[in-house]
Amino acid sequence: AQKITQTQPGMFVQEKEAVTLDCTYDTSDPSYGLFWYKQPSSGEMIFLIYQGSYDQQNATEGRYSLNFQKARKSANLVISASQLGDSAMYFCAMREGPGGYQKVTFGTGTKLQVIP
Amino acid sequence: DAGVIQSPRHEVTEMGQEVTLRCKPISGHDYLFWYRQTMMRGLELLIYFNNNVPIDDSGMPEDRFSAKMPNASFSTLKIQPSEPRDSAVYFCASSPIAGVGQETQYFGPGTRLLVL
Repeated sequence: AQKITQTQPGMFVQEKEAVTLDCTYDTSDPSYGLFWYKQPSSGEMIFLIYQGSYDQQNATEGRYSLNFQKARKSANLVISASQLGDSAMYFCAMREGPGGYQKVTFGTGTKLQVIP
Repeated sequence: DAGVIQSPRHEVTEMGQEVTLRCKPISGHDYLFWYRQTMMRGLELLIYFNNNVPIDDSGMPEDRFSAKMPNASFSTLKIQPSEPRDSAVYFCASSPIAGVGQETQYFGPGTRLLVL
């Protein structure tokens, strides 16, 4: 079974609108961390946001927020007020186990295109 | 602060040649990771180090691949002999000491390898 599932290969959003990118995960470990990364066409991987499994509140970083639904094992990324520069691939990732174990599994990504 | 530095940024070589990719992690980070990204397989973890010691190399595809970390500020990934199927983008990433919320991996710009 896939540990990280991103079911949307591609998404379009109108500039200034909000968009949600889906991510579901599979783990039996009570301690885990969830990440989102952005990869623009230039190729670099840019860290966006982190959510720990024990965090009580959803993580937010500027226009990015993570909609963490633990019971449903989902960690959707919400981008508010989309900008043209948000057009990129977005990867959801999970680190399982306590903080000492660093292996991270990445999803297949969602390609977001922001339309003017 | 300087981010993760990788060299070369682009490499074109012929099948059978030795290829060496280099990485300088962020100063003070205890973990270093090597990833490979292809269209077919997505982002795969090849190997990671903790305090210069290889912890998990189960992702290394075969004996042609080797990685070393002789000190805290330098790592190499070597492919010998190279094959066309090794063509990919190779990322190096580093992470601070493990701790809640500190597991974020920061990626270098990647090395685009093309084996002819």
